[in-house]
Amino acid sequence: DTGVSQNPRHKITKRGQNVTFRCDPISEHNRLYWYRQTLGQGPEFLTYFQNEAQLEKSRLLSDRFSAERPKGSFSTLEIQRTEQGDSAMYLCASSLGVGKDTQYFGPGTRLTVL
Amino acid sequence: GENVEQHPSTLSVQEGDSAVIKCTYSDSASNYFPWYKQELGKRPQLIIDIRSNVGEKKDQRIAVTLNKTAKHFSLHITETQPEDSAVYFCAASRGGGTSYGKLTFGQGTILTVHP
Repeated sequence: DTGVSQNPRHKITKRGQNVTFRCDPISEHNRLYWYRQTLGQGPEFLTYFQNEAQLEKSRLLSDRFSAERPKGSFSTLEIQRTEQGDSAMYLCASSLGVGKDTQYFGPGTRLTVL
Repeated sequence: GENVEQHPSTLSVQEGDSAVIKCTYSDSASNYFPWYKQELGKRPQLIIDIRSNVGEKKDQRIAVTLNKTAKHFSLHITETQPEDSAVYFCAASRGGGTSYGKLTFGQGTILTVHP
């Protein structure tokens, strides 16, 4: 499968624990995006990378959230001290870059915070 | 920032009928408008997109129209089939050039096609 992949697919954690998700974009895609989707809503933008540079972060992304994309390939999203309100589907998408901005989504990581 | 409103929130049609979903956007600088289909528990999948230099685009039973002046765009599905049943999301972004391309999504439309 050459599409966007995400791991794990499901994560259940207790409040206060840290969690980390991984996204592997489509090969050669320069841009990588993280979105959060809650039940019955459209995805909401969290952050964006152009290669290894994190160029924009949403106001939704509190200090407990951090994302990296070392070497401009895969990306990780970490949530520290999880709260019940963090429960959601975390989606990753990638695109080729300038002028080729069609975004392809991964299957998502569903986070449940107990 | 950009705000995208989508209507209706639910749409029920008989197989073979047409379905129309409408979206409005607020940022006049938005120039890329994709539509995604999301089945239960699955990833959003792009079904069609349109850029601001085009007023209409068609792909088999699916078409999208864009009115830049009024800042609204619509998805049209003809000859609907039960497998078209899903949640449909519109989105807008400042795609291309040196912009970031982040997508702002509408709230979604649950389409149900009855056999």
